[in-house]
Amino acid sequence: KQEVTQIPAALSVPEGENLVLNCSFTDSAIYNLQWFRQDPGKGLTSLLLIQSSQREQTSGRLNASLDKSSGRSTLYIAASQPGDSATYLCAVYSGAGSYQLTFGKGTKLSVIP
Amino acid sequence: DGGITQSPKYLFRKEGQNVTLSCEQNLNHDAMYWYRQDPGQGLRLIYYSQIVNDFQKGDIAEGYSVSREKKESFPLTVTSAQKNPTAFYLCATSSGGLGETQYFGPGTRLLVL
Repeated sequence: KQEVTQIPAALSVPEGENLVLNCSFTDSAIYNLQWFRQDPGKGLTSLLLIQSSQREQTSGRLNASLDKSSGRSTLYIAASQPGDSATYLCAVYSGAGSYQLTFGKGTKLSVIP
Repeated sequence: DGGITQSPKYLFRKEGQNVTLSCEQNLNHDAMYWYRQDPGQGLRLIYYSQIVNDFQKGDIAEGYSVSREKKESFPLTVTSAQKNPTAFYLCATSSGGLGETQYFGPGTRLLVL
C-alpha cells in the first residue's frame, strides 16, 4: 500500500528566505505527483502537477522536482513571503487504473515578517 | 461563477442522527470525491464517483453513504454507524481522466453535540 511522508511537519522561516519542502513515497510506480496548498479552515488549492515522466515543474516562485526511482519529490519556494504561510500537502496517484490520490500529512509553513 | 460549493460550513450532529453534507459543482466535471481530514492528518478518501449513478468505496467508507443521481451533485450522508464523525469533510472534482488535477470545495466541519 502506498504511503506518503512529508518532512518536516512544521517549518518557520524569516521572510525572503528560499526553502525546500520534502515528500517521499514508498511505491515508485506512480502516475503523477501533485502539490497542494491549504489555508487554515479552507479547502485545497492545486499548485503543481508532475507527471511520472517529468523531472520538474515550475510556476512563478515555486519549483517542484520528482525523482521517481528514489521515491522523492521536493517543493522549492523562492524568496518566501508571509502570504506563503499555509500547509503544503503532497499527493500521489499510484498505478494504472487507480483513481485514488494518496496524501501526506503536510508541512505547516510559517513565514515570519 | 464556476466552482464547487459545500454546505453547510458547520454542521452539528446529535447521537444516533444521520446528517447529509451537500456538494455541488458547475465545472461540468465527471468525477467527484469525498475526503475526510482529521487534525494533523492527510486526507483520506471516503467515496468517489467517476460517472452518474455509479460510485466506489474509498479507504474509509464504513459509516458513510453517497448517491450520484445528477452530474452536478454528490451528497454524503454520515450515518449513526459512524462512531467518530467529528472531522473536516472536503469534496473534490476532476475531469475524470486518470491522474487529472482535483479541485476542492471549501469544506464542511462536522461536530458532535
